[in-house]
Amino acid sequence: GAGVSQSPRYKVAKRGQDVALRCDPISGHVSLFWYQQALGQGPEFLTYFQNEAQLDKSGLPSDRFFAERPEGSVSTLKIQRTQQEDSAVYLCASSLLGEDTEAFFGQGTRLTVV
Amino acid sequence: QQQVKQSPQSLIVQKGGIPIINCAYENTAFDYFPWYQQFPGKGPALLIAIRPDVSEKKEGRFTISFNKSAKQFSLHIMDSQPGDSATYFCAAAYSGAGSYQLTFGKGTKLSVIP
Repeated sequence: GAGVSQSPRYKVAKRGQDVALRCDPISGHVSLFWYQQALGQGPEFLTYFQNEAQLDKSGLPSDRFFAERPEGSVSTLKIQRTQQEDSAVYLCASSLLGEDTEAFFGQGTRLTVV
Repeated sequence: QQQVKQSPQSLIVQKGGIPIINCAYENTAFDYFPWYQQFPGKGPALLIAIRPDVSEKKEGRFTISFNKSAKQFSLHIMDSQPGDSATYFCAAAYSGAGSYQLTFGKGTKLSVIP
């Protein structure tokens, strides 16, 4: 596809349920980012991949959050034992590597934990 | 500690007006300052970006002014149109991290009245 694709667009989970969010980056983009955007707030960094290597996971809020990109393309963000405070839009972005490279964002997955 | 402070939170202007959104940052290591536009239900999209070696950058109707000594930068939208109504985010990143992880402001909701 032409842009970053995320699925599902919407996810409702019962508290305690595990969820998996998928990101298909733009073909050839080495860098992949996950951000969390709470309602009415700016996106906050969660984690960064360069190809299949997870180089920065400093933004993951707890050990219930796990991300992977095993073949350096598609990435999955997994949240275990979801809590109400996990309700947010999860954004994926991809970019080429290097300076002056634009990060392209997907439309996001809106997660609601009930 | 909020590293990028954005104001105002919301802004209403008439068509043709020049809305100005301001941001201030704290980390002097930041060396890349983009502005993103976000429509409801969509991911953020890059509008324009600047590096600290220039004081102003213009692209179409969008201008960034940058004041390195004050650690402030602002977005001006010339001849604003109703289609510019969206939420605008400033952000900052530093190349030393290798990833260009973005730190966002909290956003400004702009409404342009016909």
